Amino acid sequence: NAGVTQTPKFRILKIGQSMTLQCTQDMNHNYMYWYRQDPGMGLKLIYYSVGAGITDKGEVPNGYNVSRSTTEDFPLRLELAAPSQTSVYFCASSFVGSGSPLHFGNGTRLTVT
Amino acid sequence: DAKTTQPNSMESNEEEPVHLPCNHSTISGTDYIHWYRQLPSQGPEYVIHGLTSNVNNRMASLAIAEDRKSSTLILHRATLRDAAVYYCILRAINNAGNMLTFGGGTRLMVKP
Repeated sequence: NAGVTQTPKFRILKIGQSMTLQCTQDMNHNYMYWYRQDPGMGLKLIYYSVGAGITDKGEVPNGYNVSRSTTEDFPLRLELAAPSQTSVYFCASSFVGSGSPLHFGNGTRLTVT
Repeated sequence: DAKTTQPNSMESNEEEPVHLPCNHSTISGTDYIHWYRQLPSQGPEYVIHGLTSNVNNRMASLAIAEDRKSSTLILHRATLRDAAVYYCILRAINNAGNMLTFGGGTRLMVKP
């Protein structure tokens, strides 16, 4: 009964370093999403995917890349980390359709110094 | 996408009912009304959703106005664990990925 699993839970990066945030779901959901949440703010959509091999940009995609080679996995890549990317990152998934709820992971807290 | 308007914060006493309002005057006929909550240091958690009729589940009730321009999330007996930010979001059928656009939400404070 894992749901949406995100790793790592915490990470500190130096400016210019790269990393991949992992997200996997075991509910056979078609749709997957990456959001970021800055301190005291609401969530903003970075990228989303409607199925394996299909991804699209959300509201704040600059500085990030994604891939979706399988239904289960949706990794988020930061190529050149910047202090502005210090945030908490949440992955979510759902079935197709606007009547389906989103299931969220517990987040990855990233600090870039 | 149609937007929602919620009060920034509300306060409640423990074990009393809480009514969290949401206005969505530009809702379209196919938009679902979703409610999520976010406890401190956790990811958002699904609470309830509906289209036209009132809905009940183990966590809460959702009352939807007849014209669908507003809705109310009802917590029947608030507990200290219900202190969270509550988000009212419209999930549109006609945007790719049916993505959720989060607003500022309502911060619910529960007093013992």
